[in-house]
Amino acid sequence: NAGVTQTPKFQVLKTGQSMTLQCAQDMNHEYMSWYRQDPGMGLRLIHYSVGAGITDQGEVPNGYNVSRSTTEDFPLRLLSAAPSQTSVYFCASSYDRWSPQHFGDGTRLSIL
Amino acid sequence: AQSVTQPDIHITVSEGASLELRCNYSYGATPYLFWYVQSPGQGLQLLLKYFSGDTLVQGIKGFEAEFKRSQSSFNLRKPSVHWSDAAEYFCAVGPTDSWGKFQFGAGTQVVVTP
Repeated sequence: NAGVTQTPKFQVLKTGQSMTLQCAQDMNHEYMSWYRQDPGMGLRLIHYSVGAGITDQGEVPNGYNVSRSTTEDFPLRLLSAAPSQTSVYFCASSYDRWSPQHFGDGTRLSIL
Repeated sequence: AQSVTQPDIHITVSEGASLELRCNYSYGATPYLFWYVQSPGQGLQLLLKYFSGDTLVQGIKGFEAEFKRSQSSFNLRKPSVHWSDAAEYFCAVGPTDSWGKFQFGAGTQVVVTP
């Protein structure tokens, strides 16, 4: 049972570069979310999706883009990386809006 | 607006001693409440959840939490801490809107000393 799989686990980018953080779940969950974790700030919601083809913004969406073409995958795109986007990124999924979320192991991203 | 507050950023506890982590929430309706644990370099793992019913809920790893509506609190407890309990703990409330968004607290770092 893979659960929620995030790739890559680590990444270093230069300012201005773009990249995609991958997230896949094999539990047939409708709800998926992206969070960033920064020291002392807990988890802040970037974008989320309530099903294939449906996405919406969270607390801190600027500089990020998402799409949900399948139930399984929910990639997060950094359009033009900035040092302020240095963080640990977590993808999560849940069966429905009331269920606990299952988290991936995170992607540690550094922007130089 | 909904919010979750964890008043203690950092707690140090001796191995074998009891542990209590505080969580206060602001929410208009009866909330769904969760506690998660994050070990270094790992994702978040669910410890326990409260939806309704008995206000004292049992979780994994010997943890329990008590929901107190009058105090808007959902404190996490463990009677005897083990060194492996050193981690960061997050309280969460959700869903906070019709779309199913969850709100997380800032976390409490627990250090266990010998």
